[in-house]
Amino acid sequence: GQQLNQSPQSMFIQEGEDVSMNCTSSSIFNTWLWYKQEPGEGPVLLIALYKAGELTSNGRLTAQFGITRKDSFLNISASIPSDVGIYFCAGHPPPPTSGSRLTFGEGTQLTVNP
Amino acid sequence: DAGVTQSPTHLIKTRGQHVTLRCSPISGHKSVSWYQQVLGQGPQFIFQYYEKEERGRGNFPDRFSARQFPNYSSELNVNALLLGDSALYLCASSFIRVGYTEAFFGQGTRLTVV
Repeated sequence: GQQLNQSPQSMFIQEGEDVSMNCTSSSIFNTWLWYKQEPGEGPVLLIALYKAGELTSNGRLTAQFGITRKDSFLNISASIPSDVGIYFCAGHPPPPTSGSRLTFGEGTQLTVNP
Repeated sequence: DAGVTQSPTHLIKTRGQHVTLRCSPISGHKSVSWYQQVLGQGPQFIFQYYEKEERGRGNFPDRFSARQFPNYSSELNVNALLLGDSALYLCASSFIRVGYTEAFFGQGTRLTVV
């Protein structure tokens, strides 16, 4: 089956630093999604990407859909303490798979030191 | 507007028992998916339901079942609980249209099997 390799597993950074994390897949995806999860909560959707090469921003977050359709990255600029959490990538395969059957990465635990 | 709501938030069950988890999707969303998230891992797809029909099933045993009701709410049932079923169970709500795949998650139900 499809697998997503997400790296790094964890990051410890100083407030104000930029962060970069990425996901790679063994097969192509039609959609890449990035989520953030905080303790005791469900994942919250940050960015959705639908086209190979697409670059999308949401405030200090920027994500790109890789040209090969097998990878994606997420950048966070000028990190702040509230960025702490686990970031997950998720991919949706091409048809005939339909709906919201997502494959998730293992997550990147981000710690921001004030 | 209400987001995805799940109940209960926490549950403790004994091995061999049965459990029913409930989910109400975002108003206007007709697709509900269920995911299992074991501590330290990304969510794993269990089921997707759309218009009350099962549209996808992940690699889970037959002890897991689900259904969707006419109001698009959903139940996940797990029979003969095992210790390994202890996890956060997440429900995701989606608005299905061609070329659009975004899943919005509830806060989850934390199931502990003892």
